[in-house]
Amino acid sequence: NAGVMQNPRHLVRRRGQEARLRCSPMKGHSHVYWYRQLPEEGLKFMVYLQKENIIDESGMPKERFSAEFPKEGPSILRIQQVVRGDSAAYFCASSPPGQGKTTEQFFGPGTRLTVL
Amino acid sequence: AQSVTQLDSHVSVSEGTPVLLRCNYSSSYSPSLFWYVQHPNKGLQLLLKYTSAATLVKGINGFEAEFKKSETSFHLTKPSAHMSDAAEYFCVVSVGEYGNKLVFGAGTILRVKS
Repeated sequence: NAGVMQNPRHLVRRRGQEARLRCSPMKGHSHVYWYRQLPEEGLKFMVYLQKENIIDESGMPKERFSAEFPKEGPSILRIQQVVRGDSAAYFCASSPPGQGKTTEQFFGPGTRLTVL
Repeated sequence: AQSVTQLDSHVSVSEGTPVLLRCNYSSSYSPSLFWYVQHPNKGLQLLLKYTSAATLVKGINGFEAEFKKSETSFHLTKPSAHMSDAAEYFCVVSVGEYGNKLVFGAGTILRVKS
């Protein structure tokens, strides 16, 4: 059973460009989470999605960031008009449904975004 | 609001000696707590989780943690450090309406000396 897959592993963008980060959850997992890790900091929750639904986006910046998890295909975290402050490691996690607050989230290897 | 505080940003031990990574939590009710480990340029791996079934939780690779309500602590320990334990460790609490949002501590970098 393959783990959570993220691609690309490294992404370089110039200011003003768009960044698209992809996440394929583990087989059988219908819940996806995105976290951001800024340099020298712990991970910060961004968004929690189920298939075709955003459940909790309380950690998403109000502008330029969006996320989706379509019925078919990977979850996408999209950052429009990137700025230098968006440089970070973005981690995706997935979990199976129905276990509430004790659910283990399985993390992918992350995408390291560098904005020049 | 629920949160966790990791009391040490760096811990250095010699190989074969005990490891203690400290974490205090803040919660108005019984929390769900986790310890994750992150090796350099890798994703995070769950070491163990507390779900109120038992206060002493055993995890992978010889790690364990004890939930102490009176001290609001969830410290991670291991009797004997191995070189491969060198990594960053995160104490985590789950919060939110659905209990699925993880709040991470700032992390503790463990260095193991030979």
